[in-house]
Amino acid sequence: GENVEQHPSTLSVQEGDSAVIKCTYSDSASNYFPWYKQELGKRPQLIIDIRSNVGEKKDQRIAVTLNKTAKHFSLHITETQPEDSAVYFCAATSDSNYQLIWGAGTKLIIKP
Amino acid sequence: EAGVAQSPRYKIIEKRQSVAFWCNPISGHATLYWYQQILGQGPKLLIQFQNNGVVDDSQLPKDRFSAERLKGVDSTLKIQPAKLEDSAVYLCASSSGQVSGNTIYFGEGSWLTVV
Repeated sequence: GENVEQHPSTLSVQEGDSAVIKCTYSDSASNYFPWYKQELGKRPQLIIDIRSNVGEKKDQRIAVTLNKTAKHFSLHITETQPEDSAVYFCAATSDSNYQLIWGAGTKLIIKP
Repeated sequence: EAGVAQSPRYKIIEKRQSVAFWCNPISGHATLYWYQQILGQGPKLLIQFQNNGVVDDSQLPKDRFSAERLKGVDSTLKIQPAKLEDSAVYLCASSSGQVSGNTIYFGEGSWLTVV
C-alpha cells in the first residue's frame, strides 16, 4: 500500500524567509497530492493540491512541486508571515484508491 | 455553504464510560470520514463511509468503537467502554466523492478527555 513520509518534523524560519516541506510517496499509481494546514486547536484545511499531470502549481505565496520520477512533492511558502505558523500535512492518493494517505506533519514556526 | 457540523465540542468522561459523537456532513457529500487525532500527531482514519456503506474501517478498534451512517447523511461514532488512550480530538469530515481530486472538509472536532 501507499506510504507517505514527510520531512522535516519541525521547521523554524525567520519571518520573510522561505519555507520548504518535502514529502515522498511509495505508490507510483498515486496521482493526487493535497496539502492541509492545521492551526493550533483548529481543524485541518486544504491550502493547495496538485495532480500528477502537472509539475507545479502556485497560489500567491504558496506553491507545490511534483517530481513523479523521484516520487516526491514539496510545499514552498515564500515571504513567510506569522500567520503561516501551523502544522502542515501532505497526503497522497490515486483515482482507484478510497483512502487518503497522510504524512506525519511538519510544525512550521515563524520567528519574528 | 454550511460546513461539517459536530457535537458535542467537548466531553470529559471517566474510563469505562461510554460517549457518542454526532456529525452532519456538508449537504450532498456522499463520503464521510471519522478521524482520530491525538495531540501532536496527524489524523488517523477510523472509518470511511460512501453514502451509507462502509468503505474502510480497518483501523477502527471494533471491540470498543462503533459507527453508523443511517440514511447516508449524518453519522454517529460511539466509544464503549472508553480507555485513557482514547483521549483525542475526533474529527468528522466529508467530501463530495472519492478522495482523489475532491477536497475533504473537516468539522471543528469533538475533544474527548478520558480521566
